[in-house]
Amino acid sequence: GAVVSQHPSRVICKSGTSVKIECRSLDFQATTMFWYRQFPKQSLMLMATSNEGSKATYEQGVEKDKFLINHASLTLSTLTVTSAHPEDSSFYICSASDSLSPLHFGNGTRLTVT
Amino acid sequence: QKEVEQDPGPLSVPEGAIVSLNCTYSNSAFQYFMWYRQYSRKGPELLMYTYSSGNKEDGRFTAQVDKSSKYISLFIRDSQPSDSATYLCAMRIAGANNLFFGTGTRLTVIP
Repeated sequence: GAVVSQHPSRVICKSGTSVKIECRSLDFQATTMFWYRQFPKQSLMLMATSNEGSKATYEQGVEKDKFLINHASLTLSTLTVTSAHPEDSSFYICSASDSLSPLHFGNGTRLTVT
Repeated sequence: QKEVEQDPGPLSVPEGAIVSLNCTYSNSAFQYFMWYRQYSRKGPELLMYTYSSGNKEDGRFTAQVDKSSKYISLFIRDSQPSDSATYLCAMRIAGANNLFFGTGTRLTVIP
């Protein structure tokens, strides 16, 4: 089945630093990748949609200068949290689609900003 | 009104019970329906994927879609402690990739 790999699974960083999270589709070409944020005991909140080779589309209320998304190839998208603050601490999950199959998700990245 | 409604639970059942999880939705354009299972601190794992109305069975899991009522269900037979997780329903419009999620139902199967 389709596999989406997300790295790192956990990261702790200091306030003011930037953190990059990678999302890779391992056995299919992902024309679209999605980035979600999930708070404890809540459902997934879509942050942005990225299509390979074009700029990401951000959901309302998501700061695109803070959450930089790059989808440079059909198998890799990255989310960079810039100048992280404690309120950015959360569980970030990516998903990928080749538009023919249902979405498959990575295993998430737990970000803690101290 | 949210596009997808799901009772958040929590739901506790004894081992071996039949579990029924449900979602309702308001957008009649939804054509593809999914159920995901999410263990704590993990990404959602696709369990069932159905198109339009009907039933689909996979092992102990059965997914039902009733488009006329805008209602979908996931049944788990012979529930096991390892089924304890949060179950998310999701759906999308034909030709679109983005999913609309329910809030998730937290299930605990007690040994």
